[in-house]
Amino acid sequence: EAEVAQSPRYKITEKSQAVAFWCDPISGHATLYWYRQILGQGPELLVQFQDESVVDDSQLPKDRFSAERLKGVDSTLKIQPAELGDSAMYLCASSFNVDRGHEQFFGPGTRLTVL
Amino acid sequence: QKEVEQDPGPLSVPEGAIVSLNCTYSNSAFQYFMWYRQYSRKGPELLMYTYSSGNKEDGRFTAQVDKSSKYISLFIRDSQPSDSATYLCAMSFDTGRRALTFGSGTRLQVQP
Repeated sequence: EAEVAQSPRYKITEKSQAVAFWCDPISGHATLYWYRQILGQGPELLVQFQDESVVDDSQLPKDRFSAERLKGVDSTLKIQPAELGDSAMYLCASSFNVDRGHEQFFGPGTRLTVL
Repeated sequence: QKEVEQDPGPLSVPEGAIVSLNCTYSNSAFQYFMWYRQYSRKGPELLMYTYSSGNKEDGRFTAQVDKSSKYISLFIRDSQPSDSATYLCAMSFDTGRRALTFGSGTRLQVQP
């Protein structure tokens, strides 16, 4: 069964350090999403890609966060420098295309702890 | 006020009970309504989606959407301990970038 892959599953870092998360969407899915989920809350969209292009990054804190999907397949989300408030679950999701955005499939997430 | 409101629970029921989970929303332009199940330390899993108003059934799960009241529900029949999880509702438009807006989730515990 096709799944969204994410790594690492867990990351512990100290504030001011750089961290990076990787996502490989379901094969053939053109649209990729990064969400942040704070404990006890629902996921919130950080950035959305259609192929290699950014569709929406309005909620991405661009002073410290960056995301790329260079070849339109896998994607990397980076935080530099990490802050205490960045501790959360970072989820990647994909859908066949934007029009099928109601059928998003999520990966297992990366749980980030910033000390 | 959040666009999507969901009671956080926890909701505790005995095995075999019928469970009702609900969300209210404020934006009448939402057209797709989704329910996700999330086990602890896992990613959300899509259970089902509904377009516009009406009901949809899938096995023990039934989703209902009442757009006039801006109210959606998920019913789980014959609940099992394996249904213990957090249930997230999510909504999107049917045009544009179609990003999902999530509720905060309801934690369900089904007692054996």
